[in-house]
Amino acid sequence: ELKVEQNPLFLSMQEGKNYTIYCNYSTTSDRLYWYRQDPGKSLESLFVLLSNGAVKQEGRLMASLDTKARLSTLHITAAVHDLSATYFCAVDMWANNNDMRFGAGTRLTVKP
Amino acid sequence: NAGVTQTPKFQVLKTGQSMTLQCAQDMNHNSMYWYRQDPGMGLRLIYYSASEGTTDKGEVPNGYNVSRLNKREFSLRLESAAPSQTSVYFCASSEETGGFGGYTFGSGTRLTVV
Repeated sequence: ELKVEQNPLFLSMQEGKNYTIYCNYSTTSDRLYWYRQDPGKSLESLFVLLSNGAVKQEGRLMASLDTKARLSTLHITAAVHDLSATYFCAVDMWANNNDMRFGAGTRLTVKP
Repeated sequence: NAGVTQTPKFQVLKTGQSMTLQCAQDMNHNSMYWYRQDPGMGLRLIYYSASEGTTDKGEVPNGYNVSRLNKREFSLRLESAAPSQTSVYFCASSEETGGFGGYTFGSGTRLTVV
């Protein structure tokens, strides 16, 4: 059974610091997505990673994918308060007649 | 840009009542999905529709039914609501099944069953 594990589940960090969120998954897939969710809001697509070695950057966030290690990372550089949200990774399993499986989410709080 | 529109945004039901959650998208997407979100569990797929006229079960389909009314609309029905169905429900759509390029999500329906 496909498992998607994110860690940490909760992250409190100071403004200006760097940190990485990890997303491990248990079976073969070469499509991985990162979403952001603000409290009480819907999910917003951040990154789409479609091949091994893919790296995408947007502002202070950078996502990468290593399909051999079955690992994606979301790196936060010089965090600011506006980045406070819950971040989800999702693994695309449609090629194996399965669905898109989401991790449990990482709740990020950036403190001044 | 409407994107994916869900109604209602909030609903309280008594155990045993029925209701239908509505979802419509205006992006001409082929595939549509219903997810539920529970604390600490991410999103779990209830049902999906790869294209107009087709529907399939996802990870947690029990207690739900769906209808793909046309290309735009995909509804989720709870025939006899149970407290275990208290959750936030999200509808999503994508151009192709599997969300190649990502999903577009609706704003969610917060359902409480008492």
